[in-house]
Amino acid sequence: KQEVTQIPAALSVPEGENLVLNCSFTDSAIYNLQWFRQDPGKGLTSLLLIQSSQREQTSGRLNASLDKSSGRSTLYIAASQPGDSATYLCAVYNFNKFYFGSGTKLNVKP
Amino acid sequence: SAVISQKPSRDICQRGTSLTIQCQVDSQVTMMFWYRQQPGQSLTLIATANQGSEATYESGFVIDKFPISRPNLTFSTLTVSNMSPEDSSIYLCSVEVGGGGTDTQYFGPGTRLTVL
Repeated sequence: KQEVTQIPAALSVPEGENLVLNCSFTDSAIYNLQWFRQDPGKGLTSLLLIQSSQREQTSGRLNASLDKSSGRSTLYIAASQPGDSATYLCAVYNFNKFYFGSGTKLNVKP
Repeated sequence: SAVISQKPSRDICQRGTSLTIQCQVDSQVTMMFWYRQQPGQSLTLIATANQGSEATYESGFVIDKFPISRPNLTFSTLTVSNMSPEDSSIYLCSVEVGGGGTDTQYFGPGTRLTVL
């Protein structure tokens, strides 16, 4: 069974800092990997989708990379802002299901 | 993409009662999913609901406790039956859009359930 792990569980940084969130998965036979953002008490918002054949995707200040062979993905956030404070979840898709990590709770201090 | 709405957005219920959560999508989709997110936890898949067939439940979830309807390609309901305080969670529906490796999930805003 696919297992997805995210490290760290929580992160607190000052505004303006660049940061990296990590996601690892046990089964490399994935179709894609998706990063989500969840604000407190809200649903999930899709940030980036990386197909299994891709190495990275970028959207604004966000860059996600995928190394399928090693079972790892990173989400890089440049020049962090207080509005980036949220929980970030990664999910991998295989066997017709999405498997979620437990998330990284990010706090960006003004 | 897909835009998903859920009703109710939140509710406070008494032990032993049932609550039905509605999920509406702005486009026709084949697969819909129901998740539970307990406080401070990640998402746990309850079941997959395809139109025209019985829902497929994950280990630990049963139809008697979480009956699901999927009457058409844009709508689904999840009922939480005979509730207990342990059922207090956020319940999220989602849909899968795309194919050929670009399968993307879109989520509704969630239903926050508190059971007293």
